Amino acid sequence: GDSVTQMEGPVTLSEEAFLTINCTYTATGYPSLFWYVQYPGEGLQLLLKATKADDKGSNKGFEATYRKETTSFHLEKGSVQVSDSAVYFCALSEPRERYGGSQGNLIFGKGTKLSVKP
Amino acid sequence: NAGVTQTPKFRILKIGQSMTLQCAQDMNHNYMYWYRQDPGMGLKLIYYSVGAGITDKGEVPNGYNVSRSTTEDFPLRLELAAPSQTSVYFCASRWRAEAFFGQGTRLTVV
Repeated sequence: GDSVTQMEGPVTLSEEAFLTINCTYTATGYPSLFWYVQYPGEGLQLLLKATKADDKGSNKGFEATYRKETTSFHLEKGSVQVSDSAVYFCALSEPRERYGGSQGNLIFGKGTKLSVKP
Repeated sequence: NAGVTQTPKFRILKIGQSMTLQCAQDMNHNYMYWYRQDPGMGLKLIYYSVGAGITDKGEVPNGYNVSRSTTEDFPLRLELAAPSQTSVYFCASRWRAEAFFGQGTRLTVV
């Protein structure tokens, strides 16, 4: 079945460092890809998304590009801040066409905890 | 602008007790989900619903039941609590590509 694999944490960085969190997926067809962020004590929030190959999702300085050839959707940020400390989840949505026009379910990776030190 | 509301936020249950985790959304979304989050394990789908009156099992449905009598509400029922059900439970609704999560219910079974 479909699955998402992301790099294991925790990841500890100093403020203003460059961030990469790797995410690869296995899916039949063309899923949509997402990054969700979970701040301490809160639920998950959508950070960014990409719905087709070569799309780049971006938000709050974070970026990720949908790479079909490498089945990857790596999250990057050029300069992290202490406020970026959170758990980051990569996720995919099963292809629309498999459900006759309705959206498929979300499948999540295990999450990567990021801690940014001042 | 409430979004997805879960109650309670915390609960301790004894083995064998029952309880219902409540979830309500005010965005008129058809799709709703229940996930459990175990440490280091990401989120696993328990049950989902594509509209009022329609529910289906996810990856880990054993020990749980759901109902969806209205678009707004999607309660999760634990009939005979077991220590393995100690987890954080998240309810979510979905519109197109975006899922909206509640703040979670932390359940401990002792």
